[in-house]
Amino acid sequence: DAGVTQSPTHLIKTRGQQVTLRCSPKSGHDTVSWYQQALGQGPQFIFQYYEEEERQRGNFPDRFSGHQFPNYSSELNVNALLLGDSALYLCASSSLPQLFGYTFGSGTRLTVV
Amino acid sequence: KNEVEQSPQNLTAQEGEFITINCSYSVGISALHWLQQHPGGGIVSLFMLSSGKKKHGRLIATINIQEKHSSLHITASHPRDSAVYICAVNPRGSQGNLIFGKGTKLSVKP
Repeated sequence: DAGVTQSPTHLIKTRGQQVTLRCSPKSGHDTVSWYQQALGQGPQFIFQYYEEEERQRGNFPDRFSGHQFPNYSSELNVNALLLGDSALYLCASSSLPQLFGYTFGSGTRLTVV
Repeated sequence: KNEVEQSPQNLTAQEGEFITINCSYSVGISALHWLQQHPGGGIVSLFMLSSGKKKHGRLIATINIQEKHSSLHITASHPRDSAVYICAVNPRGSQGNLIFGKGTKLSVKP
């Protein structure tokens, strides 16, 4: 049973560019949450998708957007990249009402230069 | 002040020692999670707690809802336990997002 799969694992982008990160949830999970983890910090909640809609959003600008597909996989898009967007981006899947916790992917390491 | 505080930030132990990591939170919660993160970045869920105590192998997690405090204990620590341990909470009434602590970096020396 595959866990959460994230791609790519590493990515280098130039300031001002756009990036798309992908997440396939664990089999049986229907909810995907995205987190940003800066070096030495705990992850910060970006947003959560359920039934192809953004269900809740953290304190991130509109440059951060997402999408969930009918097969529950999800994308995170970041426009107009800033140096400060360099971080590990984690995807976590779950099944509402989250009685059984979360399964995390290994993350995508984004470096903006 | 962060809503989830962990202590200590860094911990070095000798193999075999009993280890305790503490987590305090300031919001009402529906659940608390202990997570393990290895240098590669991937996070593994260790425990989800809403009350009492849970045990899995050498790991024990406890929570005191009234005091808004949780502890993670590792008995007979081993170098393979070296990782960052993160406490995270589901705020009560939230749609399911997690608020994370900054983590405790544990290094177990042989």
